[in-house]
Amino acid sequence: DTAVSQTPKYLVTQMGNDKSIKCEQNLGHDTMYWYKQDSKKFLKIMFSYNNKELIINETVPNRFSPKSPDKAHLNLHINSLELGDSAVYFCASSRETGGAGGYTFGSGTRLTVV
Amino acid sequence: ELKVEQNPLFLSMQEGKNYTIYCNYSTTSDRLYWYRQDPGKSLESLFVLLSNGAVKQEGRLMASLDTKARLSTLHITAAVHDLSATYFCAVASLDSNYQLIWGAGTKLIIKP
Repeated sequence: DTAVSQTPKYLVTQMGNDKSIKCEQNLGHDTMYWYKQDSKKFLKIMFSYNNKELIINETVPNRFSPKSPDKAHLNLHINSLELGDSAVYFCASSRETGGAGGYTFGSGTRLTVV
Repeated sequence: ELKVEQNPLFLSMQEGKNYTIYCNYSTTSDRLYWYRQDPGKSLESLFVLLSNGAVKQEGRLMASLDTKARLSTLHITAAVHDLSATYFCAVASLDSNYQLIWGAGTKLIIKP
């Protein structure tokens, strides 16, 4: 069983469209995250949710809106996509906010905006 | 602001050699993580280091943490081609609300 699963794996879309990426974890972890990895492989956190509650919201455009219907799911919705949004988006989870037990990452969603 | 620096950023080496990747960070932390990423793949957890002097080993990889020097090392012994990947360190601290701050990654190429 995949511990942290993301869908879709690849997403190609036109500028201006709205798209969603879904993430589910079956580890029973309390905290989930969205990270963005740019073309230079640099990783940066976007959002963190603990038990469905937003705890970190880094400086990302408000076109990006996370939604956590329950603690096992954290979805990312992106409105009015721009070329600069092209990147790989990783979902991750940890047992608790401090991450002392480590973090588990999904396989990533490669978003290409044309 | 917590900053994490890795060096080198690129490393090409022959099989059978030893080498070390360094990870320096700018503020107090006792949580340091090493990850491996293969091209087009996810991030695989290698080591979680949670205290000063922590040393962990898995196969040909050994990681250590010196919180006083704010330094972690990832040592590769007798490198083999399968270890070719990009290696990231990441640090979490109270200063960063325990969110992971990542190094830029070290792209390691091991030639047969």
